[in-house]
Amino acid sequence: DQQVKQNSPSLSVQEGRISILNCDYTNSMFDYFLWYKKYPAEGPTFLISISSIKDKNEDGRFTVFLNKSAKHLSLHIVPSQPGDSAVYFCAARSGNTPLVFGKGTRLSVIA
Amino acid sequence: DAGVTQSPTHLIKTRGQQVTLRCSPKSGHDTVSWYQQALGQGPQFIFQYYEEEERQRGNFPDRFSGHQFPNYSSELNVNALLLGDSALYLCASSSPRTDAYEQYFGPGTRLTVT
Repeated sequence: DQQVKQNSPSLSVQEGRISILNCDYTNSMFDYFLWYKKYPAEGPTFLISISSIKDKNEDGRFTVFLNKSAKHLSLHIVPSQPGDSAVYFCAARSGNTPLVFGKGTRLSVIA
Repeated sequence: DAGVTQSPTHLIKTRGQQVTLRCSPKSGHDTVSWYQQALGQGPQFIFQYYEEEERQRGNFPDRFSGHQFPNYSSELNVNALLLGDSALYLCASSSPRTDAYEQYFGPGTRLTVT
């Protein structure tokens, strides 16, 4: 039973356009959500996070939106750049519990 | 400032053998977590070590064990290897005093069981 779901295995976006990566979760106890980016042959790198008390967090080109009623969060990248091409993982936790990851979405930004 | 390091990078083992993977946490971090990432999946939590003790454990059999040393480095041991243990093993470090929610990952050890 997957508690964190990323239903799109892959996404292709033109350079300069917006990339929107989606994530759904089932555990209503989750109170902190994170996005990680992973390049081949490297470990996941922390990108941005959001607490359940907020509905938006922004960091440069990256914005995460949280809709608690829908148990849905999304990562927006504007503008998308070729260097953003990677696998993006959504992760969630409840209090001090371990991170629960989704399966990831492979983003390809086409020049 | 060195980040999280793991060794070896790649490893090939035969079914039934035992393997030990190693991890050194980011400077200033005292908590080490291990994850297994199978092909096409997200990382799955194995266990976490803090103050040389296993603090939390995921849904993995007892064949998976670990250890944390006084310098905060850690080992993951897997006994009686199965083909299904083939995966990327990731180590992540954190500190409840500084990065309470963020975990910093190493590059991983790619284990292949034949």
